[in-house]
Amino acid sequence: DTEVTQTPKHLVMGMTNKKSLKCEQHMGHRAMYWYKQKAKKPPELMFVYSYEKLSINESVPSRFSPECPNSSLLNLHLHALQPEDSALYLCASSQGRGGRGHTEAFFGQGTRLTVV
Amino acid sequence: DQQVKQNSPSLSVQEGRISILNCDYTNSMFDYFLWYKKYPAEGPTFLISISSIKDKNEDGRFTVFLNKSAKHLSLHIVPSQPGDSAVYFCAASVAAQKLVFGQGTRLTINP
Repeated sequence: DTEVTQTPKHLVMGMTNKKSLKCEQHMGHRAMYWYKQKAKKPPELMFVYSYEKLSINESVPSRFSPECPNSSLLNLHLHALQPEDSALYLCASSQGRGGRGHTEAFFGQGTRLTVV
Repeated sequence: DQQVKQNSPSLSVQEGRISILNCDYTNSMFDYFLWYKKYPAEGPTFLISISSIKDKNEDGRFTVFLNKSAKHLSLHIVPSQPGDSAVYFCAASVAAQKLVFGQGTRLTINP
């Protein structure tokens, strides 16, 4: 199993809603990531979890709240988002054991988020 | 400040010919480089990588070349096939930390 599974594939939410994005992998990877990708732009890193601990937060606004319940799951809780937060949110995982382990990441299909 | 740049937004190549995708970087501390391929409605897929201690890495039809003095890398695909049509992202990292992506190049392989 070399898949990273993200749900939902599409999400439309209002600015007052609370929603969560979910990500799951069963490759035994110990690093998991959230990326944000706007149209015609490259993916931009948001958060890195390494061994279930938050290791990198790229100065992401607090309306995005990550959670790593266990080594296979990664959530992104969304609250009071703005229309400019509409984007493709990508989850990724990697071995996370140093060297190139952090960088050869496997990506999910993404969640297409629209904030109205 | 765009540390990883792919200056060609798109590239069209005839099937069977060589596709060459280029990438430039500005951060001399980058020590690992990767190429990802992305189809519409899918996440990026890892393709091939190269460490800064090497100048070439080959995997089947894909070869990545690294020129550290020019801060330039390229991906060669030969022969190009219709299934290679996708957006290709160059990415770089320092000390196995986060990936920094280029803007991507849309490759179209024409029959």
